[in-house]
Amino acid sequence: GEDVEQSLFLSVREGDSSVINCTYTDSSSTYLYWYKQEPGAGLQLLTYIFSNMDMKQDQRLTVLLNKKDKHLSLRIADTQTGDSAIYFCAESIWRGSTLGRLYFGRGTQLTVWP
Amino acid sequence: NAGVTQTPKFRILKIGQSMTLQCAQDMNHNYMYWYRQDPGMGLKLIYYSVGAGITDKGEVPNGYNVSRSTTEDFPLRLELAAPSQTSVYFCASNLGESGNTIYFGEGSWLTVV
Repeated sequence: GEDVEQSLFLSVREGDSSVINCTYTDSSSTYLYWYKQEPGAGLQLLTYIFSNMDMKQDQRLTVLLNKKDKHLSLRIADTQTGDSAIYFCAESIWRGSTLGRLYFGRGTQLTVWP
Repeated sequence: NAGVTQTPKFRILKIGQSMTLQCAQDMNHNYMYWYRQDPGMGLKLIYYSVGAGITDKGEVPNGYNVSRSTTEDFPLRLELAAPSQTSVYFCASNLGESGNTIYFGEGSWLTVV
């Protein structure tokens, strides 16, 4: 099956930038997503990037995609305590029988210290 | 604007009991999915459906059944609940074209004791 790998933990100080990294294995991924999950809540779509793009910026969020290395990163500028959550990387594949399935990493627990 | 609605939010089951997790979406989405999330893990696909009357297995279908009699509803049935099915269950939907956002419900927390 498809593998999406993320580091499990990241701690940063409030005001610093956070960078969460992700690697994936399927080169036919069409879209790559970042979801945020707060305790006891569902998944909130933060941003996504199409596989033919290198970068996407959305306010404090910057997504970088290195398709050659199959590496995706999410940078959060000026990280706030409200950004503390689990961040999931996911790849979406639309070919054959996979029909738009999302394959998720295990999630990175981001802790922001005041 | 309801989006994807799941019920119940919390449930405790005894081993061997059966129950149905309900999922409804009001966005006229063709694709619907059931995922489970175990502690410290990502989401694993249980079953999915590409339209009314069509369902197929995902990565971890054993112990579950689904049906899709309407576009809006996609219930997940647990038969003979086991402790291994203690998890958080998420329903999701998608219009059905590459690039369309997948919307998630709020989750259903299930404990089997």
